[in-house]
Amino acid sequence: DAGVTQSPTHLIKTRGQQVTLRCSPKSGHDTVSWYQQALGQGPQFIFQYYEEEERQRGNFPDRFSGHQFPNYSSELNVNALLLGDSALYLCASSLVGPYGYTFGSGTRLTVV
Amino acid sequence: AQSVAQPEDQVNVAEGNPLTVKCTYSVSGNPYLFWYVQYPNRGLQFLLKYITGDNLVKGSYGFEAEFNKSQTSFHLKKPSALVSDSALYFCAVRDMKTGANNLFFGTGTRLTVIP
Repeated sequence: DAGVTQSPTHLIKTRGQQVTLRCSPKSGHDTVSWYQQALGQGPQFIFQYYEEEERQRGNFPDRFSGHQFPNYSSELNVNALLLGDSALYLCASSLVGPYGYTFGSGTRLTVV
Repeated sequence: AQSVAQPEDQVNVAEGNPLTVKCTYSVSGNPYLFWYVQYPNRGLQFLLKYITGDNLVKGSYGFEAEFNKSQTSFHLKKPSALVSDSALYFCAVRDMKTGANNLFFGTGTRLTVIP
């Protein structure tokens, strides 16, 4: 049973560019959340998608946007990249309700 | 507002000894509490969770955690540490009163098990 799959695993972008990260949820899960984990920090909640709509959002600027597709997969887009956007971006999938979250291995984004 | 505190950045323990990784939380309603482990260059792996019921929760790889409502704590424990337990551990909380479905994480505790 495939867990959460994220792509790419690593990428390097230049300041000011745009990036798209992708996530396929665990089979049977319908909710996808994105987290940013800066070096030496705990993950910070970016936003969550359910039924193809953004349901909740953390304290991140509008440069961060997302999308969920009918097959529940999701994308995270970041525009006008800043050096401070360098981090591990984690995708987590779950079911709506009192359930746990399954995390992917993450995408390591480096902005130079 | 929700928050999680992991007061120790680093915990060292000898192999075979019991280990404890501390976590305290703050929420406005009832908490859902989680522990995750992270190995280098990897995502988060689920260890255990507390939703309701018995205050002692047993999880993966021999780990357990005790929910203490009066002390707002959810410490992670293992009776006998293994070198392979060396990793970064995160405590997380979800506040059921707000209805929010996201997790708030602590800053993590690095556990080193010394052979």
